[in-house]
Amino acid sequence: NAGVTQTPKFRVLKTGQSMTLLCAQDMNHEYMYWYRQDPGMGLRLIHYSVGEGTTAKGEVPDGYNVSRLKKQNFLLGLESAAPSQTSVYFCASSYGGQGSNQPQHFGDGTRLSIL
Amino acid sequence: QKEVEQDPGPLSVPEGAIVSLNCTYSNSAFQYFMWYRQYSRKGPELLMYTYSSGNKEDGRFTAQVDKSSKYISLFIRDSQPSDSATYLCARYGGSQGNLIFGKGTKLSVKP
Repeated sequence: NAGVTQTPKFRVLKTGQSMTLLCAQDMNHEYMYWYRQDPGMGLRLIHYSVGEGTTAKGEVPDGYNVSRLKKQNFLLGLESAAPSQTSVYFCASSYGGQGSNQPQHFGDGTRLSIL
Repeated sequence: QKEVEQDPGPLSVPEGAIVSLNCTYSNSAFQYFMWYRQYSRKGPELLMYTYSSGNKEDGRFTAQVDKSSKYISLFIRDSQPSDSATYLCARYGGSQGNLIFGKGTKLSVKP
């Protein structure tokens, strides 16, 4: 049972480059989330999805796009990377959202550096 | 938005000590609180999940919510070096219905 798997684990980009971070979950969860974690800032929600084909903005969505074409996958895209996007990115999933008060399960993160 | 405050530490204790980790919250409308543990270079993992009334115990861990003072506490008995990690408290209730996390308290248990 893999849970939540994120690829890649590490990446270094140059300013202006684009890339896609992949998140896959095998728990049949409806809800999926992308967070970034920065020193002194804690975990902040970037985008989230409440089901296949749906996405919504979180707390810090600028500079990112997402897609949820399949229930088990949630992709985070950076179209034109900026140094301010250097961070550790975490994907999470849950059976339900706030109303169900179900806990979120996290992957081990993608460490992204933008030079 | 950031309605969960947590002392970042670091907190260093000897092996076997009782550890108390605390968060404060400002909105008493929220009832469900979670504690996550995050090891270095790993994702947060759910440790405890509690409602706003009473305590919850799981082995060496006890989660407690004090509604009158708006405190969420996690107690670790007989702490072990393997407990060294960052502990995050969280609650649902962001404007998008998401989890709101505290910034985490870094704990180090010395052998």
